[in-house]
Amino acid sequence: QKEVEQDPGPLSVPEGAIVSLNCTYSNSAFQYFMWYRQYSRKGPELLMYTYSSGNKEDGRFTAQVDKSSKYISLFIRDSQPSDSATYLCAMRANNLFFGTGTRLTVIP
Amino acid sequence: ETGVTQTPRHLVMGMTNKKSLKCEQHLGHNAMYWYKQSAKKPLELMFVYSLEERVENNSVPSRFSPECPNSSHLFLHLHTLQPEDSALYLCASSQDSRGGPLHFGNGTRLTVT
Repeated sequence: QKEVEQDPGPLSVPEGAIVSLNCTYSNSAFQYFMWYRQYSRKGPELLMYTYSSGNKEDGRFTAQVDKSSKYISLFIRDSQPSDSATYLCAMRANNLFFGTGTRLTVIP
Repeated sequence: ETGVTQTPRHLVMGMTNKKSLKCEQHLGHNAMYWYKQSAKKPLELMFVYSLEERVENNSVPSRFSPECPNSSHLFLHLHTLQPEDSALYLCASSQDSRGGPLHFGNGTRLTVT
């Protein structure tokens, strides 16, 4: 079983839609959870960084962690064409593990 | 200049060549990393340096040789690579190697012919 599972998509939504991106994991020791955004021909850019369970909001982005279900989500409200990118989840106890990434396209 | 800078952005090399990738971080971090990114695969950790000492080497073939002369600079020396080594090579840094988020550079796109 993989440490981190992420649906690779691709996911296409119309501009203004609410987007939900998800990852599941198997290791209950994970304490730190991250979401990265990667534009084409660029490196991953840190979007959200959370510790343990709960929600964290930053503008149009909300990160949610449910440790009891071993499930994390990233919600994007009022999605924009500029949100089109690949989104990577990552989590760590000691070592850091990444999902494979979900490719998102927001259609104007 | 801020963040993590990688050079070159693109590199094409033959299997008999020797080349080096360079990474520089301006964030005052103590840990630096090399990752390999291939299509439809999670990021693969190659090497970790903490305070200039290598703390992790994930069974990477010896044709990849890292060097960390100080806490701001990291190199990846390449020799006799194989076509399957073609990928995006990402450098990252973090405050320390045990926790906290990683900050990535924009990578070097390597093609081995």
